[in-house]
Amino acid sequence: AQKVTQAQTEISVVEKEDVTLDCVYETRDTTYYLFWYKQPPSGELVFLIRRNSFDEQNEISGRYSWNFQKSTSSFNFTITASQVVDSAVYFCALSVSTGGFKTIFGAGTRLFVKA
Amino acid sequence: GAGVSQTPSNKVTEKGKYVELRCDPISGHTALYWYRQSLGQGPEFLIYFQGTGAADDSGLPNDRFFAVRPEGSVSTLKIQRTERGDSAVYLCASSLTEALWNTGELFFGEGSRLTVL
Repeated sequence: AQKVTQAQTEISVVEKEDVTLDCVYETRDTTYYLFWYKQPPSGELVFLIRRNSFDEQNEISGRYSWNFQKSTSSFNFTITASQVVDSAVYFCALSVSTGGFKTIFGAGTRLFVKA
Repeated sequence: GAGVSQTPSNKVTEKGKYVELRCDPISGHTALYWYRQSLGQGPEFLIYFQGTGAADDSGLPNDRFFAVRPEGSVSTLKIQRTERGDSAVYLCASSLTEALWNTGELFFGEGSRLTVL
C-alpha cells in the first residue's frame, strides 16, 4: 500500500527564518512521482513541484528547495527566508504506477509565518 | 474559464437528500479526480477517471457515492441519502496524461463545500 506521512501538523516561524517541512513516503513500486502542493487560506490547491523516482537531484526554485532521498524515502521541502505570504497548508503527495498513477496526499503541514 | 470549474461552490442539504456536484475540467485534460477534504485533513482520494472510464474507484466510501463522466469531460459526483458525516469540501482536479498514465501535476478547482444538516 502507498502512504504519505507528514509528521509536522503545524509549524510557526518568524519572517526571514528558514523552515523545512518533512515528508516520508511508502511504496513498493519502483516507478513513482512525488509532489508538493500549497493550499493558501483561499483554499485552492496549487502545484509546486514534481519529482520522479529516477531523479534524485535536489531542486531549487527561488526561495524554495527540495531534498529527495530514496534511501530514507523522504522528500523534504525547505523555504529559505520565509515570508508572511508563505503561510499556508503544504501537502506532500505520491503517485504510483499501481492503480494507474492515482495521487494520494499526506495530511498536510500548516505553516504560520509571523511578521 | 481556463481553470477547473466546480459547481455549486456551496451546498446545504438535509440528511437523507440526494446531491449532485459538478466538475468541468481544463479542456484537453483526460484525467479527472475527485477528492474529499475534511477540516484539517489532506485530500482523501475518491475516484479517478481516465477519459470516460473510472480507472480507480477504490476511494468511494460506500455505495451511496457514485461518479460519472459520460463524454470524457464534465464529471458529476452523486451522493444518495446524504449523512451528516458526508459534510466536507469535495475537490475536483484534472491533469494531462503522459504516456499511458497520468503522471502530471493536478490542477484543482475551488471545491464544493457540502453541509449536511
